[in-house]
Amino acid sequence: AQKITQTQPGMFVQEKEAVTLDCTYDTSDPSYGLFWYKQPSSGEMIFLIYQGSYDQQNATEGRYSLNFQKARKSANLVISASQLGDSAMYFCAMRVQSFQKLVFGTGTRLLVSP
Amino acid sequence: GAGVSQSPRYKVTKRGQDVALRCDPISGHVSLYWYRQALGQGPEFLTYFNYEAQQDKSGLPNDRFSAERPEGSISTLTIQRTEQRDSAMYRCASSSVAHSSSYNEQFFGPGTRLTVL
Repeated sequence: AQKITQTQPGMFVQEKEAVTLDCTYDTSDPSYGLFWYKQPSSGEMIFLIYQGSYDQQNATEGRYSLNFQKARKSANLVISASQLGDSAMYFCAMRVQSFQKLVFGTGTRLLVSP
Repeated sequence: GAGVSQSPRYKVTKRGQDVALRCDPISGHVSLYWYRQALGQGPEFLTYFNYEAQQDKSGLPNDRFSAERPEGSISTLTIQRTEQRDSAMYRCASSSVAHSSSYNEQFFGPGTRLTVL
């Protein structure tokens, strides 16, 4: 079975600072992908970044980077230079090659203060 | 359309009534997924289709829930004899590829907020 764990229900960060949102995963499938989604108060689900299990380098997308530590089974999201608009719920998700469904964690609510 | 659309956006119904939730995927997307998201939780998988074929319905909670995608495009999730515990956000997503690949970005719709009184 696949499982995603996000242990931080809420995080606070000041504008312009960096913040790390934790995500650990569990799967026995050697081929998998890890995703991060942002859900603002409007409720939409916005794809942020993807990391494949065989990728040699950590994924980066603008201010988002993924700290992928395969041996530890962690895929933490790093947001650099936080902005007020980053305040939202963030979900880590996993997809294994055997299945097409995404398995989500419970999410972390990020609040960015001025 | 430009993105995944869902209708209605909000649905309030009385316990015991049937509801049908519609999803219109991104044009050309072959895979379509249904998820349910309770308040304060992450989305939970319900079922998915490749073209018109339902590939996995392991997430459907019970036999009151069913889904179809008869022409491989629009999909309908039907909940019969609704119960209060069915209240949640129901999200649809679509992706452009059907083959198993760990990278298969799913584009989510805005969701239908279902409230069962």
